Amino acid sequence: GAVVSQHPSRVICKSGTSVKIECRSLDFQATTMFWYRQFPKQSLMLMATSNEGSKATYEQGVEKDKFLINHASLTLSTLTVTSAHPEDSSFYICSARDRRWPQGHEQYFGPGTRLTVT
Amino acid sequence: SQQGEEDPQALSIQEGENATMNCSYKTSINNLQWYRQNSGRGLVHLILIRSNEREKHSGRLRVTLDTSKKSSSLLITASRAADTASYFCATVLDNYGQNFVFGPGTRLSVLP
Repeated sequence: GAVVSQHPSRVICKSGTSVKIECRSLDFQATTMFWYRQFPKQSLMLMATSNEGSKATYEQGVEKDKFLINHASLTLSTLTVTSAHPEDSSFYICSARDRRWPQGHEQYFGPGTRLTVT
Repeated sequence: SQQGEEDPQALSIQEGENATMNCSYKTSINNLQWYRQNSGRGLVHLILIRSNEREKHSGRLRVTLDTSKKSSSLLITASRAADTASYFCATVLDNYGQNFVFGPGTRLSVLP
């Protein structure tokens, strides 16, 4: 149980284009999903918290107009990197929290999406 | 600076040896969690220890928490080559798990 999937697993796009990454909770409902960014050999940095049916909360320094987050259902959140540039190349990881365990429980992580912008 | 900081940053041991990784943090926490990440992959949850707990075990894993020193340790006993990965601690600052902060991680290499 508690599986989170991400699609695609790898994507290469040209500079200036937009890329959408999907995060799905497969066997549970998630009122809250989180998006992280990880540079090589570094830790995960929280980008934003996504709550179903409401606007995402972005961390300081993360451009909300560049990283569009939509959490339209209890099992799906999407991250769209708009007008991507090479510096946006990174490993993007989502996580989800089971709505049945709202307090301080573990987060279930997706396998990550490797974005390369050429 | 980061809430959680792992020590050491990299650790190389022989198969069969024990591996100990430490995590220090700065503010009060609700719980602390350890995760493993294989190269280029997602995170796997290992263990969660709450602020009122001092020690937890799970298979070959042993986690301790010292809230007075704001530190935690992860011990992997009888290590295997398959344990090679990066290990992260994550501190959860509130009851709702919204403030979830990862440390920089320890890269563990277990040599056969």
